[in-house]
Amino acid sequence: GENVEQHPSTLSVQEGDSAVIKCTYSDSASNYFPWYKQELGKRPQLIIDIRSNVGEKKDQRIAVTLNKTAKHFSLHITETQPEDSAVYFCAATLYGQNFVFGPGTRLSVLP
Amino acid sequence: AAGVIQSPRHLIKEKRETATLKCYPIPRHDTVYWYQQGPGQDPQFLISFYEKMQSDKGSIPDRFSAQQFSDYHSELNMSSLELGDSALYFCASSLSGGITDTQYFGPGTRLTVL
Repeated sequence: GENVEQHPSTLSVQEGDSAVIKCTYSDSASNYFPWYKQELGKRPQLIIDIRSNVGEKKDQRIAVTLNKTAKHFSLHITETQPEDSAVYFCAATLYGQNFVFGPGTRLSVLP
Repeated sequence: AAGVIQSPRHLIKEKRETATLKCYPIPRHDTVYWYQQGPGQDPQFLISFYEKMQSDKGSIPDRFSAQQFSDYHSELNMSSLELGDSALYFCASSLSGGITDTQYFGPGTRLTVL
């Protein structure tokens, strides 16, 4: 089955700097890769996603890149703000199947 | 916009008791997923239903069962509760074959087993 790794496990950046979180997946059949942000005790919230037929997607300060050959995808957050502090989970799946999540990255944006 | 609803939000049970968690998906969503999230861990897939039929099964203990009803809501039944069952239980819903096909999570039920 699918296995997702995520790095780093913790990340601290200064406000205004960029943050990059990387994930690798094992199942080449996976074709959908969402990113979720989760604040303490709250639900995971979808922040951006990418399908396997796209290499890059951007939404304001957030972007995701996908390298299908290498089976890795990354989340890029620019101009970080304190409210970006949270745990970020990547996931990989085949359409309609359950998500396999990475172990999460705790991002801290320092003012 | 309507979101996924879960009830109860918090539940405290004793060991060996039973618990029932309910999930009401986003209207018109036909697929429901259950995830269990322990402290500091990523959500782990338990089970899913599509059109009231079990579609996939993950790491769900035999003590747990679930079903999806005709109105698409789902219930997770947990028996012989153990201390290790204490976790956040999320339900997520999706519309299969939809434009985004992504999963939207409910607020979760925090289960504490004493």
